[in-house]
Amino acid sequence: DAGITQSPRHKVTETGTPVTLRCHQTENHRYMYWYRQDPGHGLRLIHYSYGVKDTDKGEVSDGYSVSRSKTEDFLLTLESATSSQTSVYFCAIRGGGNEQFFGPGTRLTVL
Amino acid sequence: DAKTTQPNSMESNEEEPVHLPCNHSTISGTDYIHWYRQLPSQGPEYVIHGLTSNVNNRMASLAIAEDRKSSTLILHRATLRDAAVYYCILRPYYNQGGKLIFGQGTELSVKP
Repeated sequence: DAGITQSPRHKVTETGTPVTLRCHQTENHRYMYWYRQDPGHGLRLIHYSYGVKDTDKGEVSDGYSVSRSKTEDFLLTLESATSSQTSVYFCAIRGGGNEQFFGPGTRLTVL
Repeated sequence: DAKTTQPNSMESNEEEPVHLPCNHSTISGTDYIHWYRQLPSQGPEYVIHGLTSNVNNRMASLAIAEDRKSSTLILHRATLRDAAVYYCILRPYYNQGGKLIFGQGTELSVKP
């Protein structure tokens, strides 16, 4: 157990509303990641962070922003949610052996 | 990034060994071979990784071909809990940020 929690675990929202997903870790890992998983696409990287206030884009970053003001928290924000952002979102941290440990996921539905 | 090819699905019987193949013919010398699996309704789970030599851990073994163009994940005795999607991923040593690129994986079903 890598001590990763995600909140909320489920969310239903309407198109055009802002949404923030939270990833929290308890083990002081430097690298954190946000992925989304959709049928037919597998997992795709949205953004990642390599330290407090240090973030970079992944392969599907459009429409998403992230922030990391503390080591333990990595926030993913959808400024104006769209139906195409309906997905399951996974947070991950990178361990000492370069393996990644994933959280339980957040299921987001945008109506 | 180098690409991997895996069968879409495989079946196995409970308590028998399972060999999950992965082809990566364009692998470079600094690419690590990682395996993850994803059980239904859960996040992916790290299984094992290696560079050149075969690797063993409590979950599985990784056999890497001498030319490194293919690898095999070996589950020594499949259980029903091993039913999952298994992903073979190449991670370059110099990969900025340690990013993983997931393919479609192999869906393993285990019959009692």
